[in-house]
Amino acid sequence: NAGVTQTPKFQVLKTGQSMTLQCAQDMNHEYMSWYRQDPGMGLRLIHYSVGAGITDQGEVPNGYNVSRSTTEDFPLRLLSAAPSQTSVYFCASSLRADSYEQYFGPGTRLTVT
Amino acid sequence: LAKTTQPISMDSYEGQEVNITCSHNNIATNDYITWYQQFPSQGPRFIIQGYKTKVTNEVASLFIPADRKSSTLSLPRVSLSDTAVYYCLVGDVPGNQGGKLIFGQGTELSVKP
Repeated sequence: NAGVTQTPKFQVLKTGQSMTLQCAQDMNHEYMSWYRQDPGMGLRLIHYSVGAGITDQGEVPNGYNVSRSTTEDFPLRLLSAAPSQTSVYFCASSLRADSYEQYFGPGTRLTVT
Repeated sequence: LAKTTQPISMDSYEGQEVNITCSHNNIATNDYITWYQQFPSQGPRFIIQGYKTKVTNEVASLFIPADRKSSTLSLPRVSLSDTAVYYCLVGDVPGNQGGKLIFGQGTELSVKP
């Protein structure tokens, strides 16, 4: 199993551009989530999904959209990038929505200029 | 959501036992306590999870007093490779009445030779 994969590893965007961060898992996990990590802020939950077709907001959802059309994929869309979205983004998954053990991807480092 | 308070940083030496305490005064009845470890430039990794009393696995022990208002992660005989940030999470999972797994700021553990 590849586990949780994220692409790209690094990305630079200009303010106002849009892009999609990709996240995929091959473990048939039910639950998937997106976090952002900023210096001194720990990880903050952006959006999460308890199964295909079901998504919900986390702590900091503004400026981000998600969808979950398949069990494997959970892309994160930035509609109009802002410098405040410069961060490291982590995708995670767990076997079931009532599991506490999440498996994290390697992260995407995004810079918005 | 239960707020957690951890020390920002701790120092230790190789071979010592390290105890990291997390305060969570407003923990709810359904909340579990989960600890993650994060190395630089990597996603967090699940260490241990518990509800009450003591839980032990091959990596760590988790001590939770009867009132559950705090918890202590114990790392036996640390090595240089245990240098990382340790996060305490308190909450319920989305599969149980819509819980959310929220990370705090974490404790940066530095193990010296």
